[in-house]
Amino acid sequence: EIVLTQSPGTLSLSPGQRATLSCRASQSVNSGYLAWYQQTVGQAPRLLIFGASSRATGIPDRFTGSGSGTDFTLTISRLEPEDFAVYYCQQYGTLPITFGGGTKVEIK
Amino acid sequence: QVQLVQSGAEVKKPGSSVKVSCKASGGPFSANSISWVRQAPGQGLEWVGGIIGIFKTTNYAQRFQGRVTITADEMTSTAYMEVSSLRPEDTAVYYCARAAGYHYTGSESYNPVWGQGTLVTVSS
Repeated sequence: EIVLTQSPGTLSLSPGQRATLSCRASQSVNSGYLAWYQQTVGQAPRLLIFGASSRATGIPDRFTGSGSGTDFTLTISRLEPEDFAVYYCQQYGTLPITFGGGTKVEIK
Repeated sequence: QVQLVQSGAEVKKPGSSVKVSCKASGGPFSANSISWVRQAPGQGLEWVGGIIGIFKTTNYAQRFQGRVTITADEMTSTAYMEVSSLRPEDTAVYYCARAAGYHYTGSESYNPVWGQGTLVTVSS
């Protein structure tokens, strides 16, 4: 199976700062079928990015996905208070579907 | 606007079974696959398996093979996940998630719609 490794585990930043989250795959992700989800405490995951770089409906343009092959990045250009959450990457091109371990973005 | 509504929390004994439901509303049911994802307390997300509504084809993560059964009832627009031989380590929130397309893997297999989650607690 494709193992996704996210780094860092925790990112401590202030509102207004830029966040850069990494997701590295153990083998190439088929056709860039890589998604990013945001999860706040007690809530279901929310789709942010699919196809490595396409924003889901209603997602603000401060969220940007990039990358291909084995290396992917989620960038949040200017953190808003509601962006402090846990972020997961997911590859959906090869069975079994797998998720990364998550990156927690916390308020510094 | 498609919504998924899951059944309520369950408390089960080790060795028993649990069946969680996921009812879809607001859109055609069989046109999109459904996956089940679990999250143990304080842990990350783990794909359990999925079902292609049109063909009733299923696929499971290897660690759940033989212990999890995913089904779908088109008449009631409801998907089900049954877990048998429950162990304490199966304690988790189980989510159903609808893919953008009909398959659970491939170009439209990301998940824009999620249920609210069902907490399953396994304890003696």
